Amino acid sequence: GAVVSQHPSWVICKSGTSVKIECRSLDFQATTMFWYRQFPKQSLMLMATSNEGSKATYEQGVEKDKFLINHASLTLSTLTVTSAHPEDSSFYICSARDGVSTDTQYFGPGTRLTVL
Amino acid sequence: QKEVEQNSGPLSVPEGAIASLNCTYSDRVSQSFFWYRQYSGKSPELIMSIYSNGDKEDGRFTAQLNKASQYVSLLIRDSQPSDSATYLCAVSTDKLIFGTGTRLQVFP
Repeated sequence: GAVVSQHPSWVICKSGTSVKIECRSLDFQATTMFWYRQFPKQSLMLMATSNEGSKATYEQGVEKDKFLINHASLTLSTLTVTSAHPEDSSFYICSARDGVSTDTQYFGPGTRLTVL
Repeated sequence: QKEVEQNSGPLSVPEGAIASLNCTYSDRVSQSFFWYRQYSGKSPELIMSIYSNGDKEDGRFTAQLNKASQYVSLLIRDSQPSDSATYLCAVSTDKLIFGTGTRLQVFP
């Protein structure tokens, strides 16, 4: 149980374009989903927390207009990187928490974004 | 002071030995503690969670928590080359705070 999927697993795009990443909880309902970013040889940095049906809460320094998060259902959250630039190239990982039994977060496999 | 601190390593142990990974945290109100394993280029995988003082064992893994000392550790018995990865300590209040990870190398 507790499987989280992400799509796509990798994406290459041109500078200035937008990229959407999907995160799905496959066998449980995720009341809360989290989006992280990881640069090479660094730890995971939380970007934002999203609760189903409400606006995401962004961490300090994360531009909410650049990283659009939608959590429209209990099994799906999306992250859209708008007007991507090379410095946005990173490993984006989502996680999901059911919030019922424990506060354990289950991670998706990640999406590697490369902006040319 | 970092919120969650880990020695970056690498920690090198021979196959079959016990690997000991340590983590300290600064927020005394933290209630939940996790160890994740991350292989290069992959996302973190949950190994253990621990919520109360003492030891918790799961197969070859034992997590130890000491809230008074704000210290959590992970022991890996009978280490295997496949255990070679970065181990992330994470501490939860309302969100997970990760340490920078300890790279473990198990050599044959």
